[in-house]
Amino acid sequence: NAGVTQTPKFQVLKTGQSMTLQCAQDMNHEYMSWYRQDPGMGLRLIHYSVGAGITDQGEVPNGYNVSRSTTEDFPLRLLSAAPSQTSVYFCASTPPGRRNTEAFFGQGTRLTVV
Amino acid sequence: GNSVTQMEGPVTLSEEAFLTINCTYTATGYPSLFWYVQYPGEGLQLLLKATKADDKGSNKGFEATYRKETTSFHLEKGSVQVSDSAVYFCALSVAQGAQKLVFGQGTRLTINP
Repeated sequence: NAGVTQTPKFQVLKTGQSMTLQCAQDMNHEYMSWYRQDPGMGLRLIHYSVGAGITDQGEVPNGYNVSRSTTEDFPLRLLSAAPSQTSVYFCASTPPGRRNTEAFFGQGTRLTVV
Repeated sequence: GNSVTQMEGPVTLSEEAFLTINCTYTATGYPSLFWYVQYPGEGLQLLLKATKADDKGSNKGFEATYRKETTSFHLEKGSVQVSDSAVYFCALSVAQGAQKLVFGQGTRLTINP
């Protein structure tokens, strides 16, 4: 009963480095999303996907790339990390169909860019 | 655009006190409304939800009523416990499904024994 699994849980990067945050879900959900959580700002949507092969931008997409080659996986890539990307990142998955559908969240990745 | 405003925290209460966390929203269209809770070191989990005007969501002693006339979805609990200490987020969705949630800034709640 894994749900949404994010790796790593913690990461420190130097400015300019690249990395990929992994997200996997085992609930066969079509919708997946990435959010960042910053103090005093709640969670903001970075990118989302409505199914394999389909992605779109959210509110704060700059500096991030995503792809969705399978239903299960939705990795988030930072191509050249910046201190402004220091944040806690959450992946979520949602079954499709209704506006009141619950989103299931991973435990988060705490990223520090120095 | 769509936005959610929550009362500023942190909020500190004694055990068995009455809790209200205010939440108001603006939305284009007819949103679904949610309260999510984040316990220390964990991801967010759904606490309750409401999908149309005058609906009341409830769970674990918490309640919130969808008020379209005042665009509000205030969270209440009659008697809080130490285990309710967490960060609470009000959120809305106007999209099909919940994959494009708009969150408030969160309210940190601490309950003292």
